[in-house]
Amino acid sequence: EAGVTQFPSHSVIEKGQTVTLRCDPISGHDNLYWYRRVMGKEIKFLLHFVKESKQDESGMPNNRFLAERTGGTYSTLKVQPAELEDSGVYFCASSQDLGHSTIYFGEGSWLTVV
Amino acid sequence: AQSVTQLDSQVPVFEEAPVELRCNYSSSVSVYLFWYVQYPNQGLQLLLKYLSGSTLVESINGFEAEFNKSQTSFHLRKPSVHISDTAEYFCAVSALSGGSYIPTFGRGTSLIVHP
Repeated sequence: EAGVTQFPSHSVIEKGQTVTLRCDPISGHDNLYWYRRVMGKEIKFLLHFVKESKQDESGMPNNRFLAERTGGTYSTLKVQPAELEDSGVYFCASSQDLGHSTIYFGEGSWLTVV
Repeated sequence: AQSVTQLDSQVPVFEEAPVELRCNYSSSVSVYLFWYVQYPNQGLQLLLKYLSGSTLVESINGFEAEFNKSQTSFHLRKPSVHISDTAEYFCAVSALSGGSYIPTFGRGTSLIVHP
């Protein structure tokens, strides 16, 4: 069974450009999460989808970030326009149901804004 | 809201020595506790978790963690580490909030095992 996959694994863009990160959760997982880790700091929650609906987006930093999950399968996280402080690792995760079921993480998308 | 504190950003140890990675949390409600590990160039993997029952939980590779409610701690220990344990370890806590459990992570502790 495939795990959570993320694309691209690494991305270097200039300030002001747009980047779109993609996440494919484990098949059958209704819950999809995005997290971000800025270098040396904690892994911070961004948002949570249940199927195609945003359950909780309290962690989204500002309106330059847009997450979608059309059809309740894969998800995209777009940053437009990118700023220097957006650099970090963006993790996607998925779980089968709510509660304390195990959350499976992808390998992360490393974003560097120069 | 809950929070997690991992006081040690880096813990260097020699191979076969014991290690303890500290984790303290704060929450106003009952919590579930987790340790995740990130090996170099890999994603986060669940190492072990406490949901209920016995306060001592173990992983398959020799790590253990003990939930201490009075001290709000969930320290991770291993009696004898290997080079292959070199990785970053993240403590996480989740509690019911808004109808779902969203883990909150600490800053991570980098375990560096020297030969």
